[in-house]
Amino acid sequence: KAGVTQTPRYLIKTRGQQVTLSCSPISGHRSVSWYQQTPGQGLQFLFEYFSETQRNKGNFPGRFSGRQFSNSRSEMNVSTLELGDSALYLCASSLEGTGRAGNTIYFGEGSWLTVV
Amino acid sequence: SQKIEQNSEALNIQEGKTATLTCNYTNYSPAYLQWYRQDPGRGPVFLLLIRENEKEKRKERLKVTFDTTLKQSLFHITASQPADSATYLCARGNYGQNFVFGPGTRLSVLP
Repeated sequence: KAGVTQTPRYLIKTRGQQVTLSCSPISGHRSVSWYQQTPGQGLQFLFEYFSETQRNKGNFPGRFSGRQFSNSRSEMNVSTLELGDSALYLCASSLEGTGRAGNTIYFGEGSWLTVV
Repeated sequence: SQKIEQNSEALNIQEGKTATLTCNYTNYSPAYLQWYRQDPGRGPVFLLLIRENEKEKRKERLKVTFDTTLKQSLFHITASQPADSATYLCARGNYGQNFVFGPGTRLSVLP
């Protein structure tokens, strides 16, 4: 079956702009979580959605937001971009969410965001 | 706060040897630990999960242990191959909570 699909793969934005990233989970998966990965901070949890409801949220400013649609597809948005937002943004899907042991999560290839 | 530390940023070993990666956690024991492999420019791929009440798990050439006394998990790759070269991430998990990932260890297996 198809894996987790993230679009776009690469993008360059200017400081102050906003960006929307998209994630299509594996068919049948109801949980989508988002992570930011940078060389300095590693992989950091942004938020998780399950059946269109935000279930967990990481320690990121309100400029980072997300949503999930009825078909489980998810988007995340970053407004008023800052240089420090340059990172690899990873989406992961799972059947029941990250809080359940034995519930494997599957990552997409990520969206590389560069803010100039 | 919950933290995960992986004590080596990078590890070089010779092909055929056993690679041992360490993951240490702070505060209370997580319900489970997971190990992932990440290749450059790719998303992490799940390898193994071990629960708090399990001492050891194996999958082919991979073995992971969980020591709640030492607050530590060890990840072993036996008979390592150059194709095993990648970054390996440890993540702690608790029911109803998001994962907390460690910084990763970049493993290089030299031919």
